[in-house]
Amino acid sequence: QQQVKQSPQSLIVQKGGISIINCAYENTAFDYFPWYQQFPGKGPALLIAIRPDVSEKKEGRFTISFNKSAKQFSLHIMDSQPGDSATYFCAASSRGNRDDKIIFGKGTRLHILP
Amino acid sequence: DVKVTQSSRYLVKRTGEKVFLECVQDMDHENMFWYRQDPGLGLRLIYFSYDVKMKEKGDIPEGYSVSREKKERFSLILESASTNQTSMYLCASSIPGQQETQYFGPGTRLLVL
Repeated sequence: QQQVKQSPQSLIVQKGGISIINCAYENTAFDYFPWYQQFPGKGPALLIAIRPDVSEKKEGRFTISFNKSAKQFSLHIMDSQPGDSATYFCAASSRGNRDDKIIFGKGTRLHILP
Repeated sequence: DVKVTQSSRYLVKRTGEKVFLECVQDMDHENMFWYRQDPGLGLRLIYFSYDVKMKEKGDIPEGYSVSREKKERFSLILESASTNQTSMYLCASSIPGQQETQYFGPGTRLLVL
C-alpha cells in the first residue's frame, strides 16, 4: 500500500513532442505528490508538485494531471526538448506522517531525440 | 541555496573493507536520508534521521549502519563491503513538515571489487 507505481520505465520522444509519464498509488493518506528530475551525474531535484485538491498544475512546459478517484497522476512535458532528457521520479508523501518520508516511484528514463 | 555535499563522487573498495560515506548539509535541516539508486529499482531508502543521534531504518538497512553526531553531518557505514553493495548512494535533507521537498547531494558511485 506504500508503493508508487511508475510507467513507462523508459521513453523516447521526438523533439517538440509530448512526453507523458504515469504514476499510480494505493494509500489514500498521501496528500502531496512531487515529481523529481535527475540529470546524469547529479542528484534528483524537485521539479513540480501537486496536492489532491486540484486536478492540474502547470509550470511552464510541465503539467501534472491528478485523478483522485483513480488514484493516478501523470507528468506531461509539452514541446519536449533535448535538454529535458533525464530520469524522472514521481513520489508521494503524507504531511500527517511523522516518518517524514517520501515514497518514490522507480523512475522513467526520458530521451528526447534532437 | 541549500547545499548537500558528499565526500566522494567515486569510490573503489575491496570486498570486506569498511567504507564510510559522508554527507554534509548547510541549511540546518533536521531530517537527513541515505538512499541507494540502482537501474530499474529507483531510489531505495536505507536509513534516515530526524535529529542528532537519532536514526531510523528505511526499507533496505541490512549491511549498513549510520551515524549522526552533528546536525549537519550524516554518515553511512558499510561495515564489511560486499559486491552487491556496488551502487550509487545519494544523501538528502529536508525540513520537518516539508518532507516532500528533499534536497539531494550529487551522489557517490561506489564500486566494490
